[in-house]
Amino acid sequence: AQTVTQSQPEMSVQEAETVTLSCTYDTSESDYYLFWYKQPPSRQMILVIRQEAYKQQNATENRFSVNFQKAAKSFSLKISDSQLGDAAMYFCAGGASGTYKYIFGTGTRLKVLA
Amino acid sequence: EPEVTQTPSHQVTQMGQEVILRCVPISNHLYFYWYRQILGQKVEFLVSFYNNEISEKSEIFDDQFSVERPDGSNFTLKIRSTKLEDSAMYFCASSGQGGTGELFFGEGSRLTVL
Repeated sequence: AQTVTQSQPEMSVQEAETVTLSCTYDTSESDYYLFWYKQPPSRQMILVIRQEAYKQQNATENRFSVNFQKAAKSFSLKISDSQLGDAAMYFCAGGASGTYKYIFGTGTRLKVLA
Repeated sequence: EPEVTQTPSHQVTQMGQEVILRCVPISNHLYFYWYRQILGQKVEFLVSFYNNEISEKSEIFDDQFSVERPDGSNFTLKIRSTKLEDSAMYFCASSGQGGTGELFFGEGSRLTVL
């Protein structure tokens, strides 16, 4: 069984500051993928960043980076230089390699304060 | 930019009625999915579909649910006899590759069962 846990229902960050969203992913699979999706209000979820579990290097996409600690089952998202447009619900998700389904967390609502 | 579109955006129905939610995936994608999110809860996998058949389904996807790709463009989710607990946001997604490729989500169809 796989579980994804996001323990922060809501986070706030000042514009231009850095914020870290937490996620834990528990699985018995050895090969899997992890994702962060962003869902702005009334819009579809879009992929922010993706991490292959077998890769040691943490993924980075511009201002977004992850800290993947495999042994600790931790997969946090760091947003640097936060912008007002970053305000959204952020979902952590994971899926075993070769499967067709992702397991999502409950989401973290990020507020960006001007 | 190509996107996944869903109709209707909101449907209200009486308990016991049949509902069909429609999705138009991105045109060159081959893998299709339905997820749902009950208000305030996590996004849950329902079913994945490839090559005109179900690839995986969750325990939620019981005999009351069915999916179909009736033509070359639409992908539908049918709920045969709706229950109150079917009230949720239903998200369609598609991907160009299976096995944890990036999912592209639609904006969702909100179903309210009275």
